[in-house]
Amino acid sequence: DIQMTQSPSSLSASVGDRVTISCQASQDIGHSLNWHQHKPGEAPKLVIYGASNLETGVPSRFSGRRSGTHFTFTISSLQPEDIATYYCQQSDNLPPTFGGGTKVEIK
Amino acid sequence: QVQLQESGPGLVKPSETLSLTCTVSDGSISTHYWSWIRQPPGKGLEWIGYISYSGSANYNPSLWSRVTISMDTSNNQFSLKLTSVTTADTAVYYCARGKATPDYWGQGTLVIVSS
Repeated sequence: DIQMTQSPSSLSASVGDRVTISCQASQDIGHSLNWHQHKPGEAPKLVIYGASNLETGVPSRFSGRRSGTHFTFTISSLQPEDIATYYCQQSDNLPPTFGGGTKVEIK
Repeated sequence: QVQLQESGPGLVKPSETLSLTCTVSDGSISTHYWSWIRQPPGKGLEWIGYISYSGSANYNPSLWSRVTISMDTSNNQFSLKLTSVTTADTAVYYCARGKATPDYWGQGTLVIVSS
């Protein structure tokens, strides 16, 4: 299975801050990397697919980028409604595998 | 917007079979792939398997000997059966739309394996 190493496991930032999460794949997965947002008590939500494509309806402050097997997820200006746990997930090989998650909190 | 809802027993005894159903709101079950994913308490997300719109299934090799995913198109539902459960199968179980890129998820249902 492809291993996805996500960091940090948690972060605390102020409203308006730029927030970046990293995800490292154990092998080449091309652009087959998705980011999911999970708010407590809600269904997880696909935010970015194909490494950098914004899902319909997702605010433009969210973005994703690929550099080889390293992927980054950025919130350009953190908002209170962005409080959630974010997961990266590779869709290149079966079985799909997930990173360990990053819990984002407001400072 | 499609909605998914998991249902089934929240408590299962060791060695018995875990059975869950996912109801899809918009009748699109015959035109997409559908997956089950789980998350044990304090641990990461694990993909269990998927079923295609034609009814063919693919399972995580770590679970394949115990898992069956099936589809009921007349009721817009798909189901998960996991046999011979142990306490390690205690988890929140999610259903989702998609084969390898889940684009819609259910809220999840907690299943506890305990005697």
